[in-house]
Amino acid sequence: AQSVTQLGSHVSVSEGALVLLRCNYSSSVPPYLFWYVQYPNQGLQLLLKYTSAATLVKGINGFEAEFKKSETSFHLTKPSAHMSDAAEYFCAVTRAGGQLTFGSGTQLTVLP
Amino acid sequence: EAGVAQSPRYKIIEKRQSVAFWCNPISGHATLYWYQQILGQGPKLLIQFQNNGVVDDSQLPKDRFSAERLKGVDSTLKIQPAKLEDSAVYLCASSLGDAYEAFFGQGTRLTVV
Repeated sequence: AQSVTQLGSHVSVSEGALVLLRCNYSSSVPPYLFWYVQYPNQGLQLLLKYTSAATLVKGINGFEAEFKKSETSFHLTKPSAHMSDAAEYFCAVTRAGGQLTFGSGTQLTVLP
Repeated sequence: EAGVAQSPRYKIIEKRQSVAFWCNPISGHATLYWYQQILGQGPKLLIQFQNNGVVDDSQLPKDRFSAERLKGVDSTLKIQPAKLEDSAVYLCASSLGDAYEAFFGQGTRLTVV
């Protein structure tokens, strides 16, 4: 079975500061990993995905994530937070057939 | 390109009532998913369709939930009778196939009182 664990249900950063959202995965096979963002009352939008190509993945809105097999991690980072980044972020791993297994989410607050 | 459309956006019902949600996927997308997102949790897969056939419904509470995908396009998810614990956002997603990115609709927020 595949699963993801997101460390920290709430993260607060100051505007302009580094954003770091943590995700660890458990998978018996090489995983495909994803980060999604969810704004209030909206669906999920794909930020980036890892599909066994480059371990450093760049996504939209300046976000990137690094796949580290030795640490079973796929942490999301952004060098400088903007107010518009305030949202909930979900890490997810695929099961066979394209079905996504999501973590419990991290609510990002950006302080002025 | 139009996205995944869901309706209604919000629904409030009393327990033991029935409710139905509708999803219109992106045109040409063969795979359709329904997810349940309870407040404070990540989405959980309920059912996956490939065209008009069910690929996986192992996590669908079949005693009260049902879903169908008419002619391999639109889909409806029904709950009958609803329980308080069914209060959640129901998300529909579609993709070209199971190896492709899934696109999500805005969801239907269900409140059971």
